[in-house]
Amino acid sequence: GAGVSQSPSNKVTEKGKDVELRCDPISGHTALYWYRQSLGQGLEFLIYFQGNSAPDKSGLPSDRFSAERTGGSVSTLTIQRTQQEDSAVYLCASSLARTSGGSGEQFFGPGTRLTVL
Amino acid sequence: AQSVTQLDSQVPVFEEAPVELRCNYSSSVSVYLFWYVQYPNQGLQLLLKYLSGSTLVKGINGFEAEFNKSQTSFHLRKPSVHISDTAEYFCAVSSYNFNKFYFGSGTKLNVKP
Repeated sequence: GAGVSQSPSNKVTEKGKDVELRCDPISGHTALYWYRQSLGQGLEFLIYFQGNSAPDKSGLPSDRFSAERTGGSVSTLTIQRTQQEDSAVYLCASSLARTSGGSGEQFFGPGTRLTVL
Repeated sequence: AQSVTQLDSQVPVFEEAPVELRCNYSSSVSVYLFWYVQYPNQGLQLLLKYLSGSTLVKGINGFEAEFNKSQTSFHLRKPSVHISDTAEYFCAVSSYNFNKFYFGSGTKLNVKP
């Protein structure tokens, strides 16, 4: 079946503009995660959704970042007033929830490479 | 809070030699441990995981890792590497409910002929 898809694959924007990144998880995966991978860094956890609910938003770097998930499926990560330090690869992953028999394995999308000029 | 340390950012090794990639974590609670691999121009995929039971876990492509609670380590090993193992390897820890994951900064394994 289809894996996790993300769009766009690349996004170049100017400082101060807003961007919206999309993640389409594997069908049936109720858990969804967003990460940021900066050059030479590991994956920085941003936010986790269980269904449409995000119980902990403390990983979002600033109030310019927001995320939502609708219908228990597609999720969007929005960055307002982008800054150059927002340049990174944004990764999305999905998995089965623990309550649905999940064992923690995350399936990652190919990422969106964001460049802020 | 939890954190993961991968001290080696790069590990060069010759083909057919053994390799160990180190991972240490800090946590005040029980954790679950994972190793992910990212091949060049590909997405991350799971290599292996420790949830409970035997502390020695085997994964894909001949890799294995040992959970050592007293040393808070989860080192990844392979007795004989191949050129195709060239990739970046990430160690990660998670809480019980898988609602948060902490990843290390990654180790780039470069296998030379």
